Amino acid sequence: QKEVEQDPGPLSVPEGAIVSLNCTYSNSAFQYFMWYRQYSRKGPELLMYTYSSGNKEDGRFTAQVDKSSKYISLFIRDSQPSDSATYLCAMKRGGSQGNLIFGKGTKLSVKP
Amino acid sequence: ETGVTQSPTHLIKTRGQQVTLRCSSQSGHNTVSWYQQALGQGPQFIFQYYREEENGRGNFPPRFSGLQFPNYSSELNVNALELDDSALYLCASSQPGGHGYTFGSGTRLTVV
Repeated sequence: QKEVEQDPGPLSVPEGAIVSLNCTYSNSAFQYFMWYRQYSRKGPELLMYTYSSGNKEDGRFTAQVDKSSKYISLFIRDSQPSDSATYLCAMKRGGSQGNLIFGKGTKLSVKP
Repeated sequence: ETGVTQSPTHLIKTRGQQVTLRCSSQSGHNTVSWYQQALGQGPQFIFQYYREEENGRGNFPPRFSGLQFPNYSSELNVNALELDDSALYLCASSQPGGHGYTFGSGTRLTVV
């Protein structure tokens, strides 16, 4: 079993739809949870960052972490064609150092 | 504030050759990590440098090596290149005590 599982999609939605992206994980030591957006031929860009369980909202984006279920989600409201990209979940153990463990990424396409 | 910059952007090498990739970290960031991203996959952790010393390494062979310089810039060296080394190589930096990593746009390496 991989440490982080993410459905690669692709996921296609119409403009204005609510998008739900999810990851599951197996390592209970993960304390920090992130979502990155990656456009084609570019590096990942940090979208949301959450510590432990709970919700965090930033504009059209909401990140949720449920540590009891080892499940994290990213919701995008009023999706736009410019949101078309690959979304990567990433996790990290506690402590100031340490590496990120990524999911495979979900490719999202928002159709006008 | 400048972000993370990587050079070169693209590179083609022959199997068996050696390659050096370069990274300038974001201002104020003293931790640098390198990741390998194969096509259609999430980034995989190679190693991390903090204060010029390697302080974490992923499941990569010794022919992958690195350096961090006093100005926090970094190099990734790969010896005896193999076809499977073809990938996007990403550099990421973080600030002291930080958990969110800023990525560069990457170097796309093709081994033929």
